[in-house]
Amino acid sequence: KQEVTQIPAALSVPEGENLVLNCSFTDSAIYNLQWFRQDPGKGLTSLLLIQSSQREQTSGRLNASLDKSSGRSTLYIAASQPGDSATYLCAVSDDYKLSFGAGTTVTVRA
Amino acid sequence: SQTIHQWPATLVQPVGSPLSLECTVEGTSNPNLYWYRQAAGRGLQLLFYSVGIGQISSEVPQNLSASRPQDRQFILSSKKLLLSDSGFYLCAWSGTGGSQPQHFGDGTRLSIL
Repeated sequence: KQEVTQIPAALSVPEGENLVLNCSFTDSAIYNLQWFRQDPGKGLTSLLLIQSSQREQTSGRLNASLDKSSGRSTLYIAASQPGDSATYLCAVSDDYKLSFGAGTTVTVRA
Repeated sequence: SQTIHQWPATLVQPVGSPLSLECTVEGTSNPNLYWYRQAAGRGLQLLFYSVGIGQISSEVPQNLSASRPQDRQFILSSKKLLLSDSGFYLCAWSGTGGSQPQHFGDGTRLSIL
């Protein structure tokens, strides 16, 4: 059974600081890894998807890396803003099924 | 572009009452469809997925069922709700084929009294 862990569970940083969010998974036989953002009481917004054959993906201030052999992914958010405050979830896919971590709740202080 | 709609946004139901949550997708054909539940303090759990009309796979034995009467419509149901059915229910869709991203709706907050 795939286990996904996200550390830390919560993070508070001043505006402008770079964010580093970690995700680890136990079974390296994955199709892809997705990072999502969830605002309180809302659904999930897809941020980045990394295919199992890729090492990283970038979108604007976001960069996600994947090391499948060691079962790790890192999401970097550059120059954080108060609007980046949310819970960030990573999920790994075995084709149809996503296994989620519990998330990292980020607070960016103005 | 593709959009996904879920309703209602919030629902308060008594124990033992029936349930019907609906999800529809626009702008795509033959999507894979998914129901997830997010319980308080826990991660998202896949409940059901469907690769076509009438095709439903269940991931977790429980008090709930799912149906897909039309290509882009996915319904989550229960005949008698339990207190443990409380949670945040999310519908998602993806394209067919391996390794497609999943896209989520805004969710339904279900409270059982």
